[in-house]
Amino acid sequence: AQKVTQAQTEISVVEKEDVTLDCVYETRDTTYYLFWYKQPPSGELVFLIRRNSFDEQNEISGRYSWNFQKSTSSFNFTITASQVVDSAVYFCALSESTSGTYKYIFGTGTRLKVLA
Amino acid sequence: SAVISQKPSRDICQRGTSLTIQCQVDSQVTMMFWYRQQPGQSLTLIATANQGSEATYESGFVIDKFPISRPNLTFSTLTVSNMSPEDSSIYLCSVDGGPHLGTDTQYFGPGTRLTVL
Repeated sequence: AQKVTQAQTEISVVEKEDVTLDCVYETRDTTYYLFWYKQPPSGELVFLIRRNSFDEQNEISGRYSWNFQKSTSSFNFTITASQVVDSAVYFCALSESTSGTYKYIFGTGTRLKVLA
Repeated sequence: SAVISQKPSRDICQRGTSLTIQCQVDSQVTMMFWYRQQPGQSLTLIATANQGSEATYESGFVIDKFPISRPNLTFSTLTVSNMSPEDSSIYLCSVDGGPHLGTDTQYFGPGTRLTVL
């Protein structure tokens, strides 16, 4: 069965610290997608990144970076030099194709608090 | 990405009543989805809204409780029927990215925050 685990319920850091959010997934499929979304206090889910199962290259986008390792079924997310505006709940999600439709399985989320 | 709007943004309702939530997209999309996010919880898929046919519901969700319409490729509604306090949640619609952004990626609306008294 598909499953996404975000073991860190809540993390607090001081501004300018680096922080890594963990995501571990389970799937039987060889083709799948992994995602990270940010949910600020306003409630809207903001798409951050998509990675397909065949692309294990790490990605950096500004202060954000992602480390995808199939060997450990992990897709971790690092924020460098965190800022107060990074405070939000971050969700990791797994998507598999079922009859041509991609369905998401979400992790339980990690609440990040960045203190000034 | 597509611009997605939801109405209402929030509402407070009485037990036993029904509320219809609208989701409007500024471009045609193939897939539209409805999710529920209970307080402090993750997102759970309610159903996939299919254009021109009945919605496909996930385990634990039924059409009588959550009727869905999808009259065209840019609009869908979700009704929460005969509400109880347990229905208090954020309801979010999402759409796929289409041919340009990828049908495997979902983009979410701002959500409807529902409180049932």
